[in-house]
Amino acid sequence: GQNIDQPTEMTATEGAIVQINCTYQTSGFNGLFWYQQHAGEAPTFLSYNVLDGLEEKGRFSSFLSRSKGYSYLLLKELQMKDSASYLCAVEDSNYQLIWGAGTKLIIKP
Amino acid sequence: IAGITQAPTSQILAAGRRMTLRCTQDMRHNAMYWYRQDLGLGLRLIHYSNTAGTTGKGEVPDGYSVSRANTDDFPLTLASAVPSQTSVYFCASSEGTSGYEQFFGPGTRLTVL
Repeated sequence: GQNIDQPTEMTATEGAIVQINCTYQTSGFNGLFWYQQHAGEAPTFLSYNVLDGLEEKGRFSSFLSRSKGYSYLLLKELQMKDSASYLCAVEDSNYQLIWGAGTKLIIKP
Repeated sequence: IAGITQAPTSQILAAGRRMTLRCTQDMRHNAMYWYRQDLGLGLRLIHYSNTAGTTGKGEVPDGYSVSRANTDDFPLTLASAVPSQTSVYFCASSEGTSGYEQFFGPGTRLTVL
């Protein structure tokens, strides 16, 4: 079967750095996406990785290791507005996204 | 219209009733999707359309149907609603089918009693 695993909840302090991990087992791999979803709102795109390595975009970076079936999202200089759920999704061999349940990130002052 | 819209925002529905959730995008995207989101579960794909005139089944298609008569609109119909279809429904669109960011509508919160 297909499976995406992420921690259910994480807590971090404003101004700090947090790493959210995602491991996956899917039928085929055509890329991995990270989305942010604030409570009661729609998901919004953060990053896309298809090759191994680190993609940096401002305060957010995403890493992929295809051989390990592993990705992480790194958030630096945390702000209160970063309190949200972070969703990991893998595009499988049918070009469909398989989604993790999301990691709820709580930022404390 | 800017982006992707959904209607209604929320709805309470009696079991057995028919319901159509509307989705419209103005980005001229080829691909469109319907997901449901339930607490503790990831987004699950219900149906998708890679281009106008074509549709396909996702992970959880039973009890739902879709049509794609044109590029902009992608309605989702529940023929006879059941309580297990209580969920938040998101419509999304993307420029292409592989490696493209999906843009999401604001969602429809549906309660089936």
